[in-house]
Amino acid sequence: AQSVAQPEDQVNVAEGNPLTVKCTYSVSGNPYLFWYVQYPNRGLQFLLKYITGDNLVKGSYGFEAEFNKSQTSFHLKKPSALVSDSALYFCAVRGASGNTPLVFGKGTRLSVIA
Amino acid sequence: GAVVSQHPSWVICKSGTSVKIECRSLDFQATTMFWYRQFPKQSLMLMATSNEGSKATYEQGVEKDKFLINHASLTLSTLTVTSAHPEDSSFYICSARRDGAASSGANVLTFGAGSRLTVL
Repeated sequence: AQSVAQPEDQVNVAEGNPLTVKCTYSVSGNPYLFWYVQYPNRGLQFLLKYITGDNLVKGSYGFEAEFNKSQTSFHLKKPSALVSDSALYFCAVRGASGNTPLVFGKGTRLSVIA
Repeated sequence: GAVVSQHPSWVICKSGTSVKIECRSLDFQATTMFWYRQFPKQSLMLMATSNEGSKATYEQGVEKDKFLINHASLTLSTLTVTSAHPEDSSFYICSARRDGAASSGANVLTFGAGSRLTVL
C-alpha cells in the first residue's frame, strides 16, 4: 500500500530564511509525487509535481522540491520564505502504474514569522 | 487554467436531513472525480472515486448508502450526505482529473474550494 509521511506537524521559520518541509513516501514501482498548499477554509492548490526527469522540480511561488529515490523523499524547499507562505502543506503520492488513488500526508503547517 | 467549482461552500442543516454538494469542472471534462473528507487539523481522507456513467468506488469504511455519489455528466459529480448527523460535520473537498492525457495518473488534480458541513 502506498503511504506518505510528513514528520513535522509544524515548521516555523523567519521571513527571508530558507524553508524545508519534509516528505517521505512508500509506493510500489515508480512514484508520482505532488505538493499542494491549503489556505484556511479553502481547497488545495497545486504547487509542483515530480513525474520523471530532473530530480529537482520547480513550481509555483518560488517553491521547489527534490526527488531522492534512494531516500524515498520529496522535500519541499524555498530559498527565502515570505509571511504569505504561511499555510498548510500536503505531500501526496500515487503509483505510476495502475489506477491507484492519490494518497496524502497528514500535512505540515508552515508559519513564517516577520 | 483548470477550475473546479464546489457548491455550497457552507451549509448548516438539522440532524436527519440530507445535504447535496455539487462539484463541477468548469473548463474541462473529467471522467473521474474524487471526494475527500478533512477533519480539523488532519489530512484529507479519500472517501470515494466518482466515475462518470458508472457506480462510484468507495474506500474501505465509507458507507455508500450514507454518502451517495452521482456522476451524471463529464463535468458534474454530486455527493449527498443522507440523514446527516453531527458526526458527519466536516470539510468535504472534491477534485477532478482532466481527461485526455496519455498518462492520466500524472495529471494534476484540481481541487474545489471545499464545502463545510455543520449538522446541528
